[in-house]
Amino acid sequence: EDQVTQSPEALRLQEGESSSLNCSYTVSGLRGLFWYRQDPGKGPEFLFTLYSAGEEKEKERLKATLTKKESFLHITAPKPEDSATYLCAVQAVKVQGGGTASKLTFGTGTRLQVTL
Amino acid sequence: GAGVSQTPSNKVTEKGKYVELRCDPISGHTALYWYRQSLGQGPEFLIYFQGTGAADDSGLPNDRFFAVRPEGSVSTLKIQRTERGDSAVYLCASSFSGDTQYFGPGTRLTVL
Repeated sequence: EDQVTQSPEALRLQEGESSSLNCSYTVSGLRGLFWYRQDPGKGPEFLFTLYSAGEEKEKERLKATLTKKESFLHITAPKPEDSATYLCAVQAVKVQGGGTASKLTFGTGTRLQVTL
Repeated sequence: GAGVSQTPSNKVTEKGKYVELRCDPISGHTALYWYRQSLGQGPEFLIYFQGTGAADDSGLPNDRFFAVRPEGSVSTLKIQRTERGDSAVYLCASSFSGDTQYFGPGTRLTVL
């Protein structure tokens, strides 16, 4: 069974204080690891997809990295508008059944609060 | 372009009633997914459609839950004999042939 564990559960940073969020995973065969941002009362918003160990992707103050067992979301010099819950999810390689891809298995998220 | 839309945004019903939740995917997306999210948890998979057929319904919790996608676009999630434990946010996502899933805003279901 695919599993995703995110840490910490909650993180409070001051504006400009860089940090990292962790996502540990076990999956039968990784098709992709996804990071989403979720604001209160809204659906998850796509940030990044990582496909293989060693891959890195960046967007503004966010950088996602991937190893064979975990992914990190690095936040550099965060601003209050970066406050949100960050969700990590894995998608396994589909080995049987219909369709070309499979479900996402999510972690419980990291609630990030950035204060002035 | 237009994203995934879901209606209604909020639904309050009484225990034992029947509800339907609707999802309009991004135009051209062939895959459609339903998830359920409880407070403080990540989304939990329910069912996945590729075209008109359910490719994976392993996440449906019991036979009170059913979903359809008759024309390969709009999907409806149907819940019979609702229970208080069904209260959650129901999220829909769509993707182009299994790539990145884009989520709608969700329907908040409250069963009294």
